[in-house]
Amino acid sequence: AQSVTQLGSHVSVSEGALVLLRCNYSSSVPPYLFWYVQYPNQGLQLLLKYTSAATLVKGINGFEAEFKKSETSFHLTKPSAHMSDAAEYFCAVSHTGRRALTFGSGTRLQVQP
Amino acid sequence: DAGVIQSPRHEVTEMGQEVTLRCKPISGHDYLFWYRQTMMRGLELLIYFNNNVPIDDSGMPEDRFSAKMPNASFSTLKIQPSEPRDSAVYFCASTKNGRANEKLFFGSGTQLSVL
Repeated sequence: AQSVTQLGSHVSVSEGALVLLRCNYSSSVPPYLFWYVQYPNQGLQLLLKYTSAATLVKGINGFEAEFKKSETSFHLTKPSAHMSDAAEYFCAVSHTGRRALTFGSGTRLQVQP
Repeated sequence: DAGVIQSPRHEVTEMGQEVTLRCKPISGHDYLFWYRQTMMRGLELLIYFNNNVPIDDSGMPEDRFSAKMPNASFSTLKIQPSEPRDSAVYFCASTKNGRANEKLFFGSGTQLSVL
């Protein structure tokens, strides 16, 4: 079985501050890991994904995530938050042989002016 | 490309009524997924299809839920009879090859409210 845990259902940062959204995974086999973003009244969009090619993954809109096997983590970061980053962020896991993703519970990011 | 198209965007119905949600996947995508999003349970996979054939429906909550894919460009999720606890956002998503490391393309969802 595989799962992801997102620590913190709500995170609030000031504009220009560091964004750190936490994700820990559980998987008995090498995982594929994803971060998706959901803007209000929209479907989810892929931010970035880890597929074993490189442990530091860069995504869209200045986001990046680092796969740390020893910590079973895949935290999402952005050096400087922008108001437009306000959204809900989902971590998800899959593995070879599994077609469907398992999503975390999501973290809502608020960006204060 | 128009992306994954879902209809309606919002549906309000009364308990006991039949509800049908619709999805048009991206042309050429062979895999179609139905997810449900609630505050309590987050995003849950309900069912997915490959080449119009249901592959895994273990996430379908109960017999009141049914899903079909009569052709490559259309899928429905039906709830009959609907109950208030079915209120949620229902998402459809598609991918071309269904590989585990493949990007999912989501529709904008259907917000269902059962009164």
